[in-house]
Amino acid sequence: QSALTQPRSVSGSPGQSVTISCTGSNSDVGGYNYVSWYQQHPGKAPQLMIYDVTQRPSGVPDRFSGSKSGNTASLTLSGLQAEDEADYYCCSYAGSYTWVFGGGTKLTVL
Amino acid sequence: QVLLQQWGAGLLRPSETLSLTCAVYGGSFSGYYWTWIRQPPGKGLEWIGEINHSGSTNYNPSLKSRVTISVDTSKSQFSLKVSSVTAADTAVYYCARRGSSAIYYYYYMDVWGKGTTVTVSS
Repeated sequence: QSALTQPRSVSGSPGQSVTISCTGSNSDVGGYNYVSWYQQHPGKAPQLMIYDVTQRPSGVPDRFSGSKSGNTASLTLSGLQAEDEADYYCCSYAGSYTWVFGGGTKLTVL
Repeated sequence: QVLLQQWGAGLLRPSETLSLTCAVYGGSFSGYYWTWIRQPPGKGLEWIGEINHSGSTNYNPSLKSRVTISVDTSKSQFSLKVSSVTAADTAVYYCARRGSSAIYYYYYMDVWGKGTTVTVSS
């Protein structure tokens, strides 16, 4: 069970869009539509932003969207705002009631 | 609103046993899986394992030999023990809830505790 692969960092200017990728395998991302994304501000607990690849919990702005193609899931933030600056983690169901996270991506709003 | 409050020893010596507890307030305890996740300093998240109200557990295969998760339904609490700790177990440990509907467990964590910092050092 290896960690999912995310870029270490991404950046964008306010109002722009950025996409964070999350690459796994047929045993996790590619095998199930159970990818979730979490936002984590420094010193805080993670917060659920996307679940089941594309679904947004109530209260999460529709600027956040998720998708998946093959073994790679993606989180897209459109209309970047300063408060979006945080670390983002993907997570996938990996079968046999186990889960695997990505290494995290630091989003910088320029 | 569901609140998870967690506590436990923050400084351990190598070979000791890590012990943390998480209490659930403001919501149902049964009908969910309750999860432990950790984050080493400057690193990503790692799923440790989970338990439901009846004591059914699932563990990360890489940690299974050293991890025990238990539940006390009378107190709406669940606990984590990690034996024979080393410096590699130094991390912020989070408790979290795996969401569910009335009949179906979800595949994501929707409520998180604030985290407990555990340091292993001689």
